[in-house]
Amino acid sequence: AQKITQTQPGMFVQEKEAVTLDCTYDTSDPSYGLFWYKQPSSGEMIFLIYQGSYDQQNATEGRYSLNFQKARKSANLVISASQLGDSAMYFCAMRERNFNKFYFGSGTKLNVKP
Amino acid sequence: DTAVSQTPKYLVTQMGNDKSIKCEQNLGHDTMYWYKQDSKKFLKIMFSYNNKELIINETVPNRFSPKSPDKAHLNLHINSLELGDSAVYFCASSQRDRGRDEQYFGPGTRLTVT
Repeated sequence: AQKITQTQPGMFVQEKEAVTLDCTYDTSDPSYGLFWYKQPSSGEMIFLIYQGSYDQQNATEGRYSLNFQKARKSANLVISASQLGDSAMYFCAMRERNFNKFYFGSGTKLNVKP
Repeated sequence: DTAVSQTPKYLVTQMGNDKSIKCEQNLGHDTMYWYKQDSKKFLKIMFSYNNKELIINETVPNRFSPKSPDKAHLNLHINSLELGDSAVYFCASSQRDRGRDEQYFGPGTRLTVT
């Protein structure tokens, strides 16, 4: 079974609109962390946001928020007020703390249209 | 004030050669990683060192050997390069004992084996 699943290979969003990138995960480790990274066309990996498995509130970082639904094992990234510079690949990732494992999803390519 | 640096940025070499990629971080982190990103952008962890001790060693051909001379450096040596080794290799670091242990990535090394 896939540990991290990103079902949207590509998405389009109009500038200034909000967009949700989906991520579901699979783990039996009770202690885990969920991450989102952005990879622009220049290639670098940029950390965006983190959610811990025991965190009660959804994480937010500026225009990024993580919609964490633990029972559904989903950790969707919401980008509000999209900007042209948000066009990039977005990766969801998980760290299983007790098992000491890391997994990345296959990524979602987001295109922001002017 | 580069946080995670890698050298070289590009590496073109012939099959059968041996090459090394160097990584340094100045974030004071205790854990470092090597990832491989293939042509389809899929990211897979290869190795991780915590305080110079190997803690993750995924299923990687033994032609790949990591070396951590100290906490701030993690080098990757590849013997007998093959065409399938062509990829982008990312180094990353994190502070493992923090609850929020996001990884910071280097700029990547694009390896092309001809």
